[in-house]
Amino acid sequence: LAKTTQPISMDSYEGQEVNITCSHNNIATNDYITWYQQFPSQGPRFIIQGYKTKVTNEVASLFIPADRKSSTLSLPRVSLSDTAVYYCLFRSNDYKLSFGAGTTVTVRA
Amino acid sequence: DTEVTQTPKHLVMGMTNKKSLKCEQHMGHRAMYWYKQKAKKPPELMFVYSYEKLSINESVPSRFSPECPNSSLLNLHLHALQPEDSALYLCASSQGATPHEQYFGPGTRLTVT
Repeated sequence: LAKTTQPISMDSYEGQEVNITCSHNNIATNDYITWYQQFPSQGPRFIIQGYKTKVTNEVASLFIPADRKSSTLSLPRVSLSDTAVYYCLFRSNDYKLSFGAGTTVTVRA
Repeated sequence: DTEVTQTPKHLVMGMTNKKSLKCEQHMGHRAMYWYKQKAKKPPELMFVYSYEKLSINESVPSRFSPECPNSSLLNLHLHALQPEDSALYLCASSQGATPHEQYFGPGTRLTVT
């Protein structure tokens, strides 16, 4: 079974950087890691994906070490609207597609 | 059009009812998914269709029956559900059946009485 670990919650203030790590020590060799944001009563929304090293887009960066057993989502300069649950998603080496447990990020003014 | 639509938004059904959830996408995606999400939990994968064929069934009870009539539509037929099946049912689509970028619909909130 896929095993992931994410912090349950993180608090931050507007303008700060938030880093969320997901551990996935049984990730499949050739698959990407993706991250999603979910607001209450909505479907998850894709944020970013990566295979290794660092990927950056207009909303986030994703850092993946060489062993690929973890990944870190970095949200620069968060705002109140970034308050949400953040999930990693990956395929484990038994080909099971799983979300991490999710991290609730609360941004305060 | 980067939208996945789901109907209905809310559904209340008795344990003896038969109902269907519908999902539609027009992005030309060839993989479509059903997920179940309980409150304060991550979505759990139920089924994956790839090129209109069922490729993954995560040991879902037979009271849930998926159907993919064409590349744009995905249905989930429900029969003899239990109260513990109450949840948010999410549909998603992607270019391929991998963890790559998935587009999710808003979900159907199902309550089984």
